[in-house]
Amino acid sequence: TQLLEQSPQFLSIQEGENLTVYCNSSSVFSSLQWYRQEPGEGPVLLVTVVTGGEVKKLKRLTFQFGDARKDSSLHITAAQPGDTGLYLCAGQETSGSRLTFGEGTQLTVNP
Amino acid sequence: DTAVSQTPKYLVTQMGNDKSIKCEQNLGHDTMYWYKQDSKKFLKIMFSYNNKELIINETVPNRFSPKSPDKAHLNLHINSLELGDSAVYFCASSQTWTSGGYEQYFGPGTRLTVT
Repeated sequence: TQLLEQSPQFLSIQEGENLTVYCNSSSVFSSLQWYRQEPGEGPVLLVTVVTGGEVKKLKRLTFQFGDARKDSSLHITAAQPGDTGLYLCAGQETSGSRLTFGEGTQLTVNP
Repeated sequence: DTAVSQTPKYLVTQMGNDKSIKCEQNLGHDTMYWYKQDSKKFLKIMFSYNNKELIINETVPNRFSPKSPDKAHLNLHINSLELGDSAVYFCASSQTWTSGGYEQYFGPGTRLTVT
């Protein structure tokens, strides 16, 4: 099983600040997905990146897939309290449909 | 319309009991999954079915038995429940792409508490 390390594990910032969450592995993934989970709910897919070096933007969120398809980052600009939640990266293994999840980053944005 | 639904939402039971969790998806997907999320929020896959065929069977105790009566349903039966089984269990589904993408859609989770 391929492993994904996500950092930081916890992040508490003030509204308006910028932040970056990292997802790293020594293994190559065929794609990488980012999910957000709110308390009492299941994870919700935010984005999928497939090509090495790919950058996708979703409003104030910018997702990047590393050139070697081993790592990814999520950057949030001007964070808002509504961004609070658990952010999970998940790599799709090259061998099939299995997703390996990172340990998650619990983000709290204080007003 | 609910895409992936699970019942029950909460399940409190005593050690040694047998319980089932049901999952249904109305997305027309061909693959369904069961995940366990522990108290540290780590999400780990347990099982996956593709067109009713078991394709992923992680190292979980054989007290856990999935059953897929059709493509839209995947149930999880747990025998002889133990304290360590307490967790949130998520069902998910995805559609096989020809390009290999497997974006997953999760249910709301079932919080199992074993006392």
